[in-house]
Amino acid sequence: EADIYQTPRYLVIGTGKKITLECSQTMGHDKMYWYQQDPGMELHLIHYSYGVNSTEKGDLSSESTVSRIRTEHFPLTLESARPSHTSQYLCASSVSREETQYFGPGTRLLVL
Amino acid sequence: QKEVEQNSGPLSVPEGAIASLNCTYSDRGSQSFFWYRQYSGKSPELIMFIYSNGDKEDGRFTAQLNKASQYVSLLIRDSQPSDSATYLCAVNPNLYSSASKIIFGSGTRLSIRP
Repeated sequence: EADIYQTPRYLVIGTGKKITLECSQTMGHDKMYWYQQDPGMELHLIHYSYGVNSTEKGDLSSESTVSRIRTEHFPLTLESARPSHTSQYLCASSVSREETQYFGPGTRLLVL
Repeated sequence: QKEVEQNSGPLSVPEGAIASLNCTYSDRGSQSFFWYRQYSGKSPELIMFIYSNGDKEDGRFTAQLNKASQYVSLLIRDSQPSDSATYLCAVNPNLYSSASKIIFGSGTRLSIRP
């Protein structure tokens, strides 16, 4: 079983608030990813990182930002939450050359 | 054309039958292929991966890869209601690059009817 954790699991917050979604993995994986997924819809890659101090934007434009200061930690921040940010956010990690992605349990975000 | 294509379904299969899920990919140089299962409201979980042409079996699941035709399929034998989920196909275009990452299809929704 993959050791990748996300907190909080559920978050209800008002418009304009700053939020940070946490993601940590204990597998020593060098690559980490953030996906956004609406119910019944496909996964959309919004950010990824190949290693410490490396971050890239994904295929879906997002107003969020990420940082990768430590290998095991890949937090996602929304400076000013809006109702359009309501979605499920999934974090994943993988090791280079093998590339199998292991997912965390997800954070369900509701912005009122 | 999407890089990884799947029929969105829903695919309805009677309990006990074989469910067949298909996926095509556009990059002929793709090296590794993955099948994930995602239950409603949950995160995707890996079922199996395949690198070589042919079949790979794991319990009731068989992955089939045909690189010449650029498709990969997943067979589920003796389908159970607990197999009802969305199945995601994923492809790694370049196994040998440290900058590579797998690309997910949009998924096929499978429903097993009792």
